[in-house]
Amino acid sequence: AQKITQTQPGMFVQEKEAVTLDCTYDTSDQSYGLFWYKQPSSGEMIFLIYQGSYDEQNATEGRYSLNFQKARKSANLVISASQLGDSAMYFCAMRGPGGETSGSRLTFGEGTQLTVNP
Amino acid sequence: EPEVTQTPSHQVTQMGQEVILRCVPISNHLYFYWYRQILGQKVEFLVSFYNNEISEKSEIFDDQFSVERPDGSNFTLKIRSTKLEDSAMYFCASRADSWNNSPLHFGNGTRLTVT
Repeated sequence: AQKITQTQPGMFVQEKEAVTLDCTYDTSDQSYGLFWYKQPSSGEMIFLIYQGSYDEQNATEGRYSLNFQKARKSANLVISASQLGDSAMYFCAMRGPGGETSGSRLTFGEGTQLTVNP
Repeated sequence: EPEVTQTPSHQVTQMGQEVILRCVPISNHLYFYWYRQILGQKVEFLVSFYNNEISEKSEIFDDQFSVERPDGSNFTLKIRSTKLEDSAMYFCASRADSWNNSPLHFGNGTRLTVT
């Protein structure tokens, strides 16, 4: 079974500073994918970034980067130059290997509420 | 950019009533999902759907739940006899293909309140 752990229920950061949101995972699969989603107060789920278990380089997407440490089973999200609009709940999620018909569900962590202060 | 749309945005129903939550996934996507999020809690998987049948379901998805893709565009979640504990935000999601890096695209959710 897969498990995702986000140990920071809440984080605070000053505008324009960088912040790291932690995510650790547990799986016996060799092939898996890790995702981060943002959920603003309006409720929608917005895909941010993906990291594959076989990717040798850390994923980056604009101000978002993923600090992937496979041996430690961690996939921390780094947001650089925080903006007020970054205030939201952030979820780490994992997908295991799946055949074409399996659907390959995402398993989500508990989430981290990020507040960016002006 | 194409998006997943869900209706209604908010549904209030009485305990024991049937509800149908509607979703229009992104048109060329092949995989469809329902998730729910009880207020303040994590996002939980309910069911996945591919090739006109359920491909996987969680222990939450019991006999009270069903899904349908009646016309090739809509994807519905039916709760036959709602309970108070069914109150949650229900998210529909779709995915383009089976590649591992293919993300789920979520709709804005339907907030279901059971009274």
